[in-house]
Parts: sequence; structure tokens; C-alpha cells
Amino acid sequence: SQTIHQWPATLVQPVGSPLSLECTVEGTSNPNLYWYRQAAGRGLQLLFYSVGIGQISSEVPQNLSASRPQDRQFILSSKKLLLSDSGFYLCAWSVGLGYNEQFFGPGTRLTVL
Amino acid sequence: AQKITQTQPGMFVQEKEAVTLDCTYDTSDQSYGLFWYKQPSSGEMIFLIYQGSYDEQNATEGRYSLNFQKARKSANLVISASQLGDSAMYFCAMSREGAQKLVFGQGTRLTINP
Repeated sequence: SQTIHQWPATLVQPVGSPLSLECTVEGTSNPNLYWYRQAAGRGLQLLFYSVGIGQISSEVPQNLSASRPQDRQFILSSKKLLLSDSGFYLCAWSVGLGYNEQFFGPGTRLTVL
Repeated sequence: AQKITQTQPGMFVQEKEAVTLDCTYDTSDQSYGLFWYKQPSSGEMIFLIYQGSYDEQNATEGRYSLNFQKARKSANLVISASQLGDSAMYFCAMSREGAQKLVFGQGTRLTINP
């Protein structure tokens, strides 16, 4: 069966520090991968998605970047965190095209102080 | 652009009662998919049910059913015989054909009272 992992689970970082969040998927090949951010009490906002190694699409201009160095690994990064980067970050995967449902990881709660 | 609207910020329901969570959507696409997710306090998003725009029958998954009214652009989630474990945030979402993106509503917080 497929599983998705995210780490760390929680993170407290000072403003201006770098960021690296990692997401890995097991049990499937060539998944579509996604990074979402959820502000407190709000819905999810898509940040990045990837349909293959090295292929990254950005949905919103921001302070963050994403990379996919391996088929089942998706990384969210920042060189210098802003206060507004605080939130709950969720990684998700799906397969194929069309309307396939996305399956989410446990999330990382990031607090920037 | 696609948009999802969930007009109920919070709902309180007695255990064992049925509950309907509202979702309306706006799209100019002829073909699209509609989804419902549950988010417990742990934060993980759990996929519940899917409805395709060309599906003639309403989708059902156990105690969950999707009341799809295409002309009214609504896709309400119905939970039958609610349980305490159903207390969570519920999100409606949609996707376009061939697109790899989900657009989410703002969510409804459902509380089941014993």
C-alpha cells in the first residue's frame, strides 16, 4: 500500500533562517506531488506541484521554492523565512491525469518567530 | 477561475443524526471533479468521496453520500448516523479535467454532541 511521509512534524524557526521540508512517498511510481499551505482556520492553498523529476510548477509568487530530486521525493525550501511563512504545510500525491483524488501526508506545522 | 463556497463555518449535530454540509461551486468547465475531505484535529486530510461532473448517480461511500445537483452547482456532503468521531473540519474541493490542482473551500467545522 502507498504511504506518504513528511518531516519534521513541527518546526519553530527565526525570521531570516533557511527552511527545508521533506516529503516522500512509498508504494507508487511516478506520482504527481503537491505542496499546500493552510493558514489557521482556513482552506488549503496550492503552492507547487510536480508531475515528474525536476518538473516544478509554481502556483503563487512567494518566498518559497520546491524541488523534486527523486521520483518520490518532494522538498519545500526557503533561503530566508518571513513571518508570513508560518502555517501548516501539507504534501500530497496522486497518480495519472484527470480527476484522481489526492492523498495527503501528516503535515508540518511551521512557526516563524 | 474555479471557486468553491462553503457557507457554514460551523455546525453542531446530535450523535446518530444525519447531517448535510453545503458546498456550491463556480466553474465554466463542462468537465470537472468534486471531492470532500475530512481534517481531524491531528491535521491530516482524509479523502472521503468523489463525484464526476458526468456521473449520473450520486456517489456513496459507506455513511457518506454526495448530493450532486449540477444545475444548481451544488455538491453537498451527507453523513448518515453521525458519530462522535465525525467531529472535524470538512473541505469541499474541485479539479479540472487534465489539471493537477485542487481548489478548496474554506471548510465547515462539524461538532457531534453526545
